[in-house]
Amino acid sequence: AQSVTQPDIHITVSEGASLELRCNYSYGATPYLFWYVQSPGQGLQLLLKYFSGDTLVQGIKGFEAEFKRSQSSFNLRKPSVHWSDAAEYFCAVGAGNNRKLIWGLGTSLAVNP
Amino acid sequence: GAGVSQSPRYKVAKRGQDVALRCDPISGHVSLFWYQQALGQGPEFLTYFQNEAQLDKSGLPSDRFFAERPEGSVSTLKIQRTQQEDSAVYLCASSYLGDYGYTFGSGTRLTVV
Repeated sequence: AQSVTQPDIHITVSEGASLELRCNYSYGATPYLFWYVQSPGQGLQLLLKYFSGDTLVQGIKGFEAEFKRSQSSFNLRKPSVHWSDAAEYFCAVGAGNNRKLIWGLGTSLAVNP
Repeated sequence: GAGVSQSPRYKVAKRGQDVALRCDPISGHVSLFWYQQALGQGPEFLTYFQNEAQLDKSGLPSDRFFAERPEGSVSTLKIQRTQQEDSAVYLCASSYLGDYGYTFGSGTRLTVV
């Protein structure tokens, strides 16, 4: 069965520091992979997605992610975190013909000034 | 409209009450999804519509949950005889047919007391 694991429940970084959020997936076929961000009281916003091609994908707000098939991973990175990046981050894999998403439990990011 | 609109934003229901949650998708979006997000969890798929047809309802947790989209636009998620475990944020998303480019609404937070 398809599944997504985000090993880190909560991460705290200092403003200006680099960030890497981990995501591992389990899916039988070529996965469609996504990272979403959710700020308090807000809807889910798509940061980036991977379907095929270049395994390093660029997203909005300076985020990028790298697909590594051998490790079944799709880690999210940002070179320099801003205080406004504090939010909940979700990794998801697309499954089935109806395009539903299977989600991880999320990683809560706190940013220290 | 410009985005996916959900109403109400907040709903408090007494245990045993019936509730109806509304989703108004982006005009022209054929696909519509409902997800349930419990506190501290990632979203869980509930059901999927393509126009007015409910093509997948495998995620509905019990027969107390019912969704409809009679004219292929606005959708309503109904929960009968609400239980405490139904307390969650209910998210609606829409997209063009066959597209993973979801747009999420801000959700309805249901609290059952």
